Amino acid sequence: DIHLTQSPSTLSASVGDTVTITCRASQNITNSLAWFQHKPGEGPSLVIYKASSLELGVPSRFSGSGSGTEFALTISSLQADDFATYYCQQYNGFPYTFGQGTQLDI
Amino acid sequence: EVLLVESGGGLAQPGGSHRLSCETSGFYFRRYWMSWVRQAPGKGLEWVASINQDGNEKYYLDSVNGRFTISRDNAKNSVSLQMNSLRREDRGVYYCVRISGTLDYWGRGTPVTVSS
Repeated sequence: DIHLTQSPSTLSASVGDTVTITCRASQNITNSLAWFQHKPGEGPSLVIYKASSLELGVPSRFSGSGSGTEFALTISSLQADDFATYYCQQYNGFPYTFGQGTQLDI
Repeated sequence: EVLLVESGGGLAQPGGSHRLSCETSGFYFRRYWMSWVRQAPGKGLEWVASINQDGNEKYYLDSVNGRFTISRDNAKNSVSLQMNSLRREDRGVYYCVRISGTLDYWGRGTPVTVSS
């Protein structure tokens, strides 16, 4: 199984800050990586797919980068609505696996 | 608008069975793989199972393989998860998810509690 190591597990920031979350895969997954935003009481929502493609309707302050085994999600000019938990996920093959999550707090 | 609505969550006994359902709308259901993903209390997301468009190709998390069965009804635009021999570690919120490349649309989830 492909293991994803996501860091940090928690991140404190303020409105207007720029933050970066990293995700490392245990083997080469080319660009088969997605990032999700998850808020309490809701289903997760797709933010980035194919490592760097922005999902339709997601603000351009979100960006993804990386390929192979090293990936990152950057959120620029943080807004209040961005405070949530973020997960990376690989879909190179089954079983799909997720990173441990990053809780982004004010 | 793509909608996925889970139902069937509730209290189940260890060793017992439970069935979850997911009604979908807003897209051509029979063209997509579908999945179930869960989240245990205080934990992260965990993929559980996926099924292809025709229902003849299925994949499972090792810990549920042989106990859970994913199925679909293309006439009713629905997908189900039959859970047998439930364990306490199966508790959590279960999400129905569409696959289009990745897991692109999620329901709001249905909670499952496993307790005697």
